[in-house]
Amino acid sequence: GAGVSQTPSNKVTEKGKYVELRCDPISGHTALYWYRQSLGQGPEFLIYFQGTGAADDSGLPNDRFFAVRPEGSVSTLKIQRTERGDSAVYLCASSLNHPGQGVGPNYGYTFGSGTRLTVV
Amino acid sequence: RKEVEQDPGPFNVPEGATVAFNCTYSNSASQSFFWYRQDCRKEPKLLMSVYSSGNEDGRFTAQLNRASQYISLLIRDSKLSDSATYLCVVNVDFNKFYFGSGTKLNVKP
Repeated sequence: GAGVSQTPSNKVTEKGKYVELRCDPISGHTALYWYRQSLGQGPEFLIYFQGTGAADDSGLPNDRFFAVRPEGSVSTLKIQRTERGDSAVYLCASSLNHPGQGVGPNYGYTFGSGTRLTVV
Repeated sequence: RKEVEQDPGPFNVPEGATVAFNCTYSNSASQSFFWYRQDCRKEPKLLMSVYSSGNEDGRFTAQLNRASQYISLLIRDSKLSDSATYLCVVNVDFNKFYFGSGTKLNVKP
């Protein structure tokens, strides 16, 4: 597609349930990021994929959070035993990876419109 | 200490005013810098990159001061459509991008 697609756009779940959030990046973008944005805050880094592998998962808050990208395209963020504090907008971004130069806003780094997760 | 700090505002200015925001960053090894704009309940969108020599894009001017570790954004002749939250972004290492909490701007008629 033309942009980064995230589904669902909204998700309401009960405390303790499992949820999956999906990100479909721009075609050809090998770099993929997940962020979490709480109300009144900027996006907080969770995990970065380069291709199929998680190159940096240092932002995942605890072992209830996990993400995969099995074919190097679509990624799924999985949250087990959800807590009310997990309520936030989960943003995905994808980017080209320019060999020798890098990733990021100078290489087509684009956000999806996010999934608003509410845990009740 | 946060990697990137911004005054949350809000900055309430009349149309036509000039307004400036600052952002400070803690890691002296930071490599690249950006300003993003985020409208209410929308995703962040790149406004402009920030270069060492300073750069301008129409009514917007960005400056970087590496010695003092701050970045600024100046908006001249503010428009109603400039009302948004402005996020400062700093790139540390190859792939890590840190966002500030944002500065809210309200431009009033």
